[in-house]
Amino acid sequence: GAVVSQHPSWVICKSGTSVKIECRSLDFQATTMFWYRQFPKQSLMLMATSNEGSKATYEQGVEKDKFLINHASLTLSTLTVTSAHPEDSSFYICSATGDRATKETQYFGPGTRLLVL
Amino acid sequence: GESVGLHLPTLSVQEGDNSIINCAYSNSASDYFIWYKQESGKGPQFIIDIRSNMDKRQGQRVTVLLNKTVKHLSLQIAATQPGDSAVYFCAETGGYQKVTFGIGTKLQVIP
Repeated sequence: GAVVSQHPSWVICKSGTSVKIECRSLDFQATTMFWYRQFPKQSLMLMATSNEGSKATYEQGVEKDKFLINHASLTLSTLTVTSAHPEDSSFYICSATGDRATKETQYFGPGTRLLVL
Repeated sequence: GESVGLHLPTLSVQEGDNSIINCAYSNSASDYFIWYKQESGKGPQFIIDIRSNMDKRQGQRVTVLLNKTVKHLSLQIAATQPGDSAVYFCAETGGYQKVTFGIGTKLQVIP
């Protein structure tokens, strides 16, 4: 149980284009979803927190107009990287918490590797 | 805030030996701690958790120890296997679900 999926698993795009990444909770309702970015050999950096039906809360230094987050349902959140540039290339990981016994425990998706050329 | 490290500390362990991975946390108000395992190219996987009212918790082949006095957390893996090779992160949270991750430790199991 507590499975989180992400799609796509990897994406290559041209500089200036937009990329959408989906995060789904498959067997539970995710009241809160988190988006992280991870550079090679580094820890996870929280980008934003989103609660179903409300606007996402972005961490300091994360541009909300560049990284658009939508959490329209209890099982789906999307991250759109707008006008992507090579420096946006990274491993993007989502996680979710919800109606499990331990509400604080975040269950992570498998990640999406983005390469911007 | 977030912990970011440019060079992950590495622990090399012989297969069959026990592994101990350490983590220092920063927030005295944190009351829930989690260890995650991340294999290359994958998302973190939950291993074990512990609340601040406990100092030890055991799972299958894993034990987490919590020392609140010195804000230290450790993960012990018994009879380490090649499949245990991964990066291990400790995480702390003090309340409203926001989790702070440590820099991670890379565990290399030598066959």
